[in-house]
Amino acid sequence: DAGVTQSPTHLIKTRGQQVTLRCSPISGHKSVSWYQQVLGQGPQFIFQYYEKEERGRGNFPDRFSARQFPNYSSELNVNALLLGDSALYLCASSLENYYGYTFGSGTRLTVV
Amino acid sequence: GNSVTQMEGPVTLSEEAFLTINCTYTATGYPSLFWYVQYPGEGLQLLLKATKADDKGSNKGFEATYRKETTSFHLEKGSVQVSDSAVYFCALSALEGAQKLVFGQGTRLTINP
Repeated sequence: DAGVTQSPTHLIKTRGQQVTLRCSPISGHKSVSWYQQVLGQGPQFIFQYYEKEERGRGNFPDRFSARQFPNYSSELNVNALLLGDSALYLCASSLENYYGYTFGSGTRLTVV
Repeated sequence: GNSVTQMEGPVTLSEEAFLTINCTYTATGYPSLFWYVQYPGEGLQLLLKATKADDKGSNKGFEATYRKETTSFHLEKGSVQVSDSAVYFCALSALEGAQKLVFGQGTRLTINP
């Protein structure tokens, strides 16, 4: 079975631009979460979606938004990019009742 | 709020040495505890987990025991290999409306042959 897949793997954007990152969960997993990992730090929780509804949001500005589709895939959007948004964005999927998150390899976003 | 504190790195050991990476946590309720490993240029891989007090998680020679009385989940391995070189993250999961993981800052481990 395929694991959690994320696209693109790398991305370079200019300040002020908008970006969309994509995630496909493991087949059968209904929950998708997004994390931001700045270089040298642990991942920080951004969003969790379950059954297409937002279940939780971390301490991130409104420039960050996400959604989950009927097939449980998800998109993370970031508007008005800042240099500080440069990070590895990780997607994780899990079953309905948490028993272990599986992470994708991430999208490395560089804002210049 | 919930938080995780890991011993600061980097940690450098010789092959076959004994490894301990300390992790303590602060949480309300009864969180699940995890160790994740991140190899260079990759995402996170679940190494082991424990879901209740006194549980021992183990995988690939690594072990950690959920100690509620000391709020700790220290990672140990009896004999490390060069291939164990990576960044290790301790994390907890607490249901707060959302199921979210709270990570420590990570500990970089380098094993020299």
